[in-house]
Amino acid sequence: NAGVTQTPKFQVLKTGQSMTLQCAQDMNHEYMSWYRQDPGMGLRLIHYSVGAGITDQGEVPNGYNVSRSTTEDFPLRLLSAAPSQTSVYFCASRAQGTINYGYTFGSGTRLTVV
Amino acid sequence: GNSVTQMEGPVTLSEEAFLTINCTYTATGYPSLFWYVQYPGEGLQLLLKATKADDKGSNKGFEATYRKETTSFHLEKGSVQVSDSAVYFCAPSLFGNEKLTFGTGTRLTIIP
Repeated sequence: NAGVTQTPKFQVLKTGQSMTLQCAQDMNHEYMSWYRQDPGMGLRLIHYSVGAGITDQGEVPNGYNVSRSTTEDFPLRLLSAAPSQTSVYFCASRAQGTINYGYTFGSGTRLTVV
Repeated sequence: GNSVTQMEGPVTLSEEAFLTINCTYTATGYPSLFWYVQYPGEGLQLLLKATKADDKGSNKGFEATYRKETTSFHLEKGSVQVSDSAVYFCAPSLFGNEKLTFGTGTRLTIIP
């Protein structure tokens, strides 16, 4: 099925560990983004990309890295996990220039840092 | 600065009740306006949108009208169902076409 696939669905990390959250889409969407969802704060943009080889910071980029080597994939790397990074992470994509058609979201990764 | 303010929840209603979830924003221009819905255990889905003043977006019985004068985009439904239980997010494009700004979300629970 076409859409945005996120892996893993659940992850527990120890403080200081690193990991990569995977995001892949098969809709040939140019624009991809990562959000974190925290209670009472809605969704906050971490990083986004408008195409392969191009990334930019969002509202809360500290502690996270991204790269975009292909149109399909947009992994999010946690360099040294901290308890403050406990959250639900969503990847979203859309075709360039079509914000009015909405974003397609993945089903999320629930991350707990202990 | 640009921002969005959404009615806080949680909201609990009986089936067939009338629903309003308020959303207001501040912006220097005229953003496109969106409502997204998140069902339990899922990602967000686009519910409806409006791209210019006085436009009315509608879907699944929900409606919202782009009110430029009051910078509002309130979500309404005349008769809610148990299946409408979800979290609803107001999301204007306050910073151009590349980004959405999400409200804090309103959790809606409908009881039979």
